[in-house]
Amino acid sequence: DTGVSQDPRHKITKRGQNVTFRCDPISEHNRLYWYRQTLGQGPEFLTYFQNEAQLEKSRLLSDRFSAERPKGSFSTLEIQRTEQGDSAMYLCASSPKTQYFGPGTRLLVL
Amino acid sequence: RKEVEQDPGPFNVPEGATVAFNCTYSNSASQSFFWYRQDCRKEPKLLMSVYSSGNEDGRFTAQLNRASQYISLLIRDSKLSDSATYLCVVSYNQGGKLIFGQGTELSVKP
Repeated sequence: DTGVSQDPRHKITKRGQNVTFRCDPISEHNRLYWYRQTLGQGPEFLTYFQNEAQLEKSRLLSDRFSAERPKGSFSTLEIQRTEQGDSAMYLCASSPKTQYFGPGTRLLVL
Repeated sequence: RKEVEQDPGPFNVPEGATVAFNCTYSNSASQSFFWYRQDCRKEPKLLMSVYSSGNEDGRFTAQLNRASQYISLLIRDSKLSDSATYLCVVSYNQGGKLIFGQGTELSVKP
């Protein structure tokens, strides 16, 4: 499979715990994006990278959220001290131009 | 006010019907326009880009009115397999973040 992959696909955690998600983009796609989607809503932009540089961060991305793309290939999204409101689907996309989405990581914070 | 607004539906139509979705966007600086399709609990997938001159792909026709900041999608001869959520999407620049509407749910019945 040469598409965007995300790991894990599902994560259940207790409030206050830290979680980390990984995204592997399509090979040679220099842009990588993170979005969050809650039930009944469209995806909301969180941040994006061009190669290893983080070019834009949404105001949705509070201090508890951090994203990295250290070598310009895979990316990680970490949420510290999770809250119930963080429960959502976290989607990663990569592109040269058109954005292709991965299957998402579904997070449930209890 | 949301940047991209859609009627959330649901639209329940019989097979073979023609159905139209509308979308408005608030930022006149928007440069790129798309319709994405999202099946239940799956990632969004690009259905088609939308151009000022209007464009067609088989049973699907998309139109853009920049003056009214309005985007539409027409599905002719709808199939059971068209059942999904249709997301109206804009971007301020090529390769930049995508801004999604909340999606319009379509259910095609036999």
